[in-house]
Amino acid sequence: DARVTQTPRDKVTEMGQEVTMRCQPILGHNTVFWYRQTMMQGLELLAYFRNRAPLDDSGMPKDRFSAEMPDATLATLKIQPSEPRDSAVYFCASGSSYQPQHFGDGTRLSIL
Amino acid sequence: QKEVEQNSGPLSVPEGAIASLNCTYSDRGSQSFFWYRQYSGKSPELIMFIYSNGDKEDGRFTAQLNKASQYVSLLIRDSQPSDSATYLCAVLYNQGGKLIFGQGTELSVKP
Repeated sequence: DARVTQTPRDKVTEMGQEVTMRCQPILGHNTVFWYRQTMMQGLELLAYFRNRAPLDDSGMPKDRFSAEMPDATLATLKIQPSEPRDSAVYFCASGSSYQPQHFGDGTRLSIL
Repeated sequence: QKEVEQNSGPLSVPEGAIASLNCTYSDRGSQSFFWYRQYSGKSPELIMFIYSNGDKEDGRFTAQLNKASQYVSLLIRDSQPSDSATYLCAVLYNQGGKLIFGQGTELSVKP
């Protein structure tokens, strides 16, 4: 089965460090989504891309978060500098006009 | 603000019973609706989607849509302990593929 691949699976780092999360969407999917999930807020959409172009990043704190899609097989989400409140599970999902979204396994991020 | 509302639960049902999960949405123009299942510590997994009014069945799962009432439901027949999870309702926001998720309903199936 085709899958969305996310790396790393787990990341523990100290406050102030840069964090980079990567996502490989399902081949043929042209839309990539980044979500953050916490117990308090549930599943929040941070940003999404279509055909590698950013469509909406209104859910993302602009001062420290950035999302890019350098090519069709790679999406990245960066946090710099990281803060303890960024601790969460970050999911990438991909889809298309004809395929609903499928999620990767997530990156569990802990900022100490 | 487009919203999707679900009861957070937990919803507890005995094994073999029918579990009924409900979802309401605010945007009357919404056309596509999805149910995801999320086990604790895992990622959301798509289990059903529905576009037309009425019922759609897939195995033990039935999705029901009533656009006039802005209501979507998921029925799980012959519930099993392995169905214990959080069920997320999602509504397609625009043709770009953006989904609006509800907060999820936690289902517990007791043996």
